[in-house]
Amino acid sequence: AQSVTQLDSQVPVFEEAPVELRCNYSSSVSVYLFWYVQYPNQGLQLLLKYLSGSTLVKGINGFEAEFNKSQTSFHLRKPSVHISDTAEYFCAVNPFTGGGNKLTFGTGTQLKVEL
Amino acid sequence: EAGVAQSPRYKIIEKRQSVAFWCNPISGHATLYWYQQILGQGPKLLIQFQNNGVVDDSQLPKDRFSAERLKGVDSTLKIQPAKLEDSAVYLCASSPTRQRHYNEQFFGPGTRLTVL
Repeated sequence: AQSVTQLDSQVPVFEEAPVELRCNYSSSVSVYLFWYVQYPNQGLQLLLKYLSGSTLVKGINGFEAEFNKSQTSFHLRKPSVHISDTAEYFCAVNPFTGGGNKLTFGTGTQLKVEL
Repeated sequence: EAGVAQSPRYKIIEKRQSVAFWCNPISGHATLYWYQQILGQGPKLLIQFQNNGVVDDSQLPKDRFSAERLKGVDSTLKIQPAKLEDSAVYLCASSPTRQRHYNEQFFGPGTRLTVL
């Protein structure tokens, strides 16, 4: 079984400041890793994913994340946030084997960008 | 390309009433998912279809929830009777035919259910 921990339920940050949203996971098998963004009253949109290769992955809207296998982490970063980045962010994992696409989500981090 | 469509967007019902949600996946996507997202939590998979067959319904409360995808295209999720704890956003997602271990899931806007 897999589990995902997002310790920060809310992260306030000023516009143009850097931000890091933390994600740790637990799994008995290797996993693919994802970050999704959810704007108010909308569905989930894929920000970025780690499947294999370079541990630093770049996504849309200037976000990037780094996979750290030894620390079982996949933290999301952006060097300079914009007011439009205000949204909820979900980290998710999908195991390599055992039945295809099975996403397990964390509880989410609400990013609030202030002027 | 049209995205995943869901209706209604909002629904308010009394407890013990019945409710149904509809989802139309992206054209050609063989796999369809229903998720429940309770306020303050991440989405939880309720049921997964491959074409018109059920792949996984291990977390579907079968005493009150049912889902079907009769023609392998659109799908309906029903709750009968509803309980207060069913208040949540119900998300539908679809992904293309599985050719590798991973196929990206595309999400609809969700249906927000409030049970009073």
